[in-house]
Amino acid sequence: DAGVIQSPRHEVTEMGQEVTLRCKPISGHNSLFWYRQTMMRGLELLIYFNNNVPIDDSGMPEDRFSAKMPNASFSTLKIQPSEPRDSAVYFCASSLPSNGRYEQYFGPGTRLTVT
Amino acid sequence: SQQGEEDPQALSIQEGENATMNCSYKTSINNLQWYRQNSGRGLVHLILIRSNEREKHSGRLRVTLDTSKKSSSLLITASRAADTASYFCATDGNGANSKLTFGKGITLSVRP
Repeated sequence: DAGVIQSPRHEVTEMGQEVTLRCKPISGHNSLFWYRQTMMRGLELLIYFNNNVPIDDSGMPEDRFSAKMPNASFSTLKIQPSEPRDSAVYFCASSLPSNGRYEQYFGPGTRLTVT
Repeated sequence: SQQGEEDPQALSIQEGENATMNCSYKTSINNLQWYRQNSGRGLVHLILIRSNEREKHSGRLRVTLDTSKKSSSLLITASRAADTASYFCATDGNGANSKLTFGKGITLSVRP
């Protein structure tokens, strides 16, 4: 398996622009998670989906952030409009909970820089 | 509130030495997991220990869990320079969802 795939790997954009991050989970996994990592705040869970349905979006910082999962093999995280404080590494992870175990498999991340 | 908190925040050891990292958490859990993150990469799952287990081994890794103290430790024996990374503990809730809460991580440096 190719693992969790994220694109783009790096994104540099100007403040006010729309940014769309993409994720393809591991085939067969039914849970998908979006995280943001910064030096100051560490790893923060933004939102997660079970069977394509958003379960908990309490970590989404503001209305500028939105996430979708139109099918089991694709998810997007959109920031509109972007701000410099959104600069971070964004990770997508997927999981197949089994027998009470919830190991997550992370993608390589998208490094976002908003100038 | 932060569920998993690791200590120390940073650890520097010589190659061949053992590295011990600790994690404390606040609420009841089903499982506790440890992950590794190399610089510029995503997190990689290392080991999972269930709440009814006290110790688990995987290669050079040894994890202990003390649910009465709500704490866990990760021991890496005979460390190598390649073990240099950040290590995170993660806990799940005591419910049926798959959400994990990660600590802030421990930065381990292994000097060759």
